[in-house]
Amino acid sequence: DVKVTQSSRYLVKRTGEKVFLECVQDMDHENMFWYRQDPGLGLRLIYFSYDVKMKEKGDIPEGYSVSREKKERFSLILESASTNQTSMYLCASRKPPGTESSHEQYFGPGTRLTVT
Amino acid sequence: GNSVTQMEGPVTLSEEAFLTINCTYTATGYPSLFWYVQYPGEGLQLLLKATKADDKGSNKGFEATYRKETTSFHLEKGSVQVSDSAVYFCALTSNSGNTPLVFGKGTRLSVIA
Repeated sequence: DVKVTQSSRYLVKRTGEKVFLECVQDMDHENMFWYRQDPGLGLRLIYFSYDVKMKEKGDIPEGYSVSREKKERFSLILESASTNQTSMYLCASRKPPGTESSHEQYFGPGTRLTVT
Repeated sequence: GNSVTQMEGPVTLSEEAFLTINCTYTATGYPSLFWYVQYPGEGLQLLLKATKADDKGSNKGFEATYRKETTSFHLEKGSVQVSDSAVYFCALTSNSGNTPLVFGKGTRLSVIA
């Protein structure tokens, strides 16, 4: 079974802090994604990565950056946390296009971040 | 660009009732379509999928048929259970390139005994 793990289930940080959210997958997937989930807004894509050291902006990248130094790990960074970044953050991974079941994204359990 | 519109919730049903959650999409070409489910306190997991027109995806008693003529992928279940209470997301992706999934806003379903 594919496993996507996220470093914390719950996190509380202060405004202005630098925050790291870590995501690790164990299935050698090339593609990885970070979303945030908010009531009434569904899932919104923050950043994604096709492969190691590659990244692409999603729909709402402002205030975030990412790092993909190893294939299995994709980190989301909040350079200076703000209260409007309080949210549920979901990481996902998938196989590259053209492979069997390549369209299915596997999700981690989520990190609920509160910025006070 | 690609987009997904699904009915707003919350939806509250009694056990054994019939469920329909509507989903329509806008996309160029021939996208693949998905339903994901999120149980309380968990991440999303794939419920079913269809990759071409007229395909029917099914799993755990849920079904959805890819209707290109109406650009729809409605989720149905004949008899819901309390354990089906969750948030359901319709999603699509184009079948070319490294295109991320595009999600609808989700529909919360509550089933009461």
